[in-house]
Amino acid sequence: GAGVSQSPSNKVTEKGKDVELRCDPISGHTALYWYRQSLGQGLEFLIYFQGNSAPDKSGLPSDRFSAERTGGSVSTLTIQRTQQEDSAVYLCASSLTRAADTQYFGPGTRLTVL
Amino acid sequence: GDSVTQMEGPVTLSEEAFLTINCTYTATGYPSLFWYVQYPGEGLQLLLKATKADDKGSNKGFEATYRKETTSFHLEKGSVQVSDSAVYFCALSDAGAGSYQLTFGKGTKLSVIP
Repeated sequence: GAGVSQSPSNKVTEKGKDVELRCDPISGHTALYWYRQSLGQGLEFLIYFQGNSAPDKSGLPSDRFSAERTGGSVSTLTIQRTQQEDSAVYLCASSLTRAADTQYFGPGTRLTVL
Repeated sequence: GDSVTQMEGPVTLSEEAFLTINCTYTATGYPSLFWYVQYPGEGLQLLLKATKADDKGSNKGFEATYRKETTSFHLEKGSVQVSDSAVYFCALSDAGAGSYQLTFGKGTKLSVIP
């Protein structure tokens, strides 16, 4: 079946620009997570959504980062006024429920901020 | 907070050698434990998991046993193949403490040479 998909696969932007990254979770999965993977910091949690509950934003590194999930499915991660330290691979994952702890990951979006 | 410590890499082994990658954790609650694998050019995939003490997760010849007394979840394989070359991540989620996201170790890069 279809897995988690993310777009774009690569994004190059200039410092100061805003970017939007998209995630389509596995159909029927109610929990959705964003992580980022960078050489210096490894894999870091950013934010997660569970159904219609308020998202857990505890991992967002600054107020330049925000995310939304529309209709309990597709999610968009937005980074405003990008900085070079935002360069990383942004990973999306979904799980059947919050308590069903196996998370399935998408291929990621590689963001490069020049 | 929760944390995962795994052995630093890179690790280089000859084909058919025995593999151990050490992983220890600290957690507030009673976590579930995971090993994820990232093959070159691919996304993160769940390799195996264990959800309670003394459980053994296994997949593709890899095994790991949840040891609560030593807070460890070491990954082992009796005979590695070239196709096992990848980066391996130990991770935990601590749903009992209300922490549903994955906390990852830094990753261990394994190279298997013929």
